[in-house]
Amino acid sequence: QVQLRESGPGLVKPSETLSLTCTVSGGSTSSSSSFWVWIRQPPGKGLEWVGSIYYTGSTYYNPSLKNHVTMSVDTSRNQFSLKLSSVTAADTAAYFCARRAGDSSALWAFDIWGQGTMVTVSS
Amino acid sequence: LPVLTQPPSASALLGASIKLTCTLSSEHSTYTIEWYQQRPGRSPQYIMIVKSDGSHYKGDGIPDRFMGSSSGADRYLTISNLQSDDEAEYYCGESHTIDGQVGYVFGTGTKVTVL
Repeated sequence: QVQLRESGPGLVKPSETLSLTCTVSGGSTSSSSSFWVWIRQPPGKGLEWVGSIYYTGSTYYNPSLKNHVTMSVDTSRNQFSLKLSSVTAADTAAYFCARRAGDSSALWAFDIWGQGTMVTVSS
Repeated sequence: LPVLTQPPSASALLGASIKLTCTLSSEHSTYTIEWYQQRPGRSPQYIMIVKSDGSHYKGDGIPDRFMGSSSGADRYLTISNLQSDDEAEYYCGESHTIDGQVGYVFGTGTKVTVL
């Protein structure tokens, strides 16, 4: 059974870089039928897609975050990562990693989610 | 960017049915959407995919009480025989491609209360 687990600092100072890693177990980040995704949720608010990465390294970012987000994948470690630079209080959120899986019918969904990790931006 | 509109709240009695609506922006009225359930303090869980023709495809382990349907730009999630465990926030979401770039947007969510 595929499981995802987020890791990284829970507190980041304003203007610094937020760095998170998602470790995949029971599955492979090299899968051709999966994208690896970051989604965030500010306290008391809704879900926001941050970006997606394919095992080839192709990335797709939320246009509103494009200028300060970077995602990478390390297939040898079965991990993928998120870096968000120049953070502000508005980046305070629970960050979820997820798998976007598709089938032969081109039906795609975020079918597996990590438990989420809360990141607070504060000095 | 596409917009998915959801009413902020909905409620129904225990054992009754409830129908949640997700309205797509007009230019995306034929798009497929997904439904997710987020119980308090938990990570979201995939429920189902709903296509514009009303066909729906559920995730593993989703009970038969959960059904999807569609009408025009509206996509629905109907939960029958409402249980206390169904009290949660429900989000719809849509994948799209704009200028060759893949993106994704969530609706604002509907909080379901079981009375």
